Amino acid sequence: DQQVKQNSPSLSVQEGRISILNCDYTNSMFDYFLWYKKYPAEGPTFLISISSIKDKNEDGRFTVFLNKSAKHLSLHIVPSQPGDSAVYFCAASAWGQNFVFGPGTRLSVLP
Amino acid sequence: DSGVTQTPKHLITATGQRVTLRCSPRSGDLSVYWYQQSLDQGLQFLIQYYNGEERAKGNILERFSAQQFPDLHSELNLSSLELGDSALYFCASSPQLAGDRDTQYFGPGTRLTVL
Repeated sequence: DQQVKQNSPSLSVQEGRISILNCDYTNSMFDYFLWYKKYPAEGPTFLISISSIKDKNEDGRFTVFLNKSAKHLSLHIVPSQPGDSAVYFCAASAWGQNFVFGPGTRLSVLP
Repeated sequence: DSGVTQTPKHLITATGQRVTLRCSPRSGDLSVYWYQQSLDQGLQFLIQYYNGEERAKGNILERFSAQQFPDLHSELNLSSLELGDSALYFCASSPQLAGDRDTQYFGPGTRLTVL
């Protein structure tokens, strides 16, 4: 039973345009969400997080939106750059619990 | 560079064998986590140690075990290996318990291939 879903295995975007990566979750107890980025042959690196008390968090070109009623979050990258090409993992946790990761979405930013 | 080191980078072995994966956390981090990533799967949480003690268990098979030593490095032991155990194994560390929502810093992973 996948509690965190990323239904798009891959996404291609033109350089300079917006990339939107989506994540859905089923566990209503989840109240903290993160995005990690992973390059080949490297471990995942933390990108941005959001708590359920907020519906938006911004860090430079990266913005995460949380829609609690829909149990949906999205990561927006504007503008997309070729160096953003990587696999992006969404993760969620309930208080006191370990993170549950989604299967990842491979983003390709085309020059 | 996250500061988390894992050895070896690659491991090729045969079914039925036993292997040990090693992880050194970032300096000062007390928590160590182990994850398994199989093909096209997300990161599956296996087990967490905090300051030498087991803290949480995830989807870890009975054939797998782990420990964290006094110097805080950790080892993941995989025995009676099966073809399906082939995967990337990641170690991560954080300063405190996961419940504190600390960012986890991941190592580069060990790729295990079971033939």
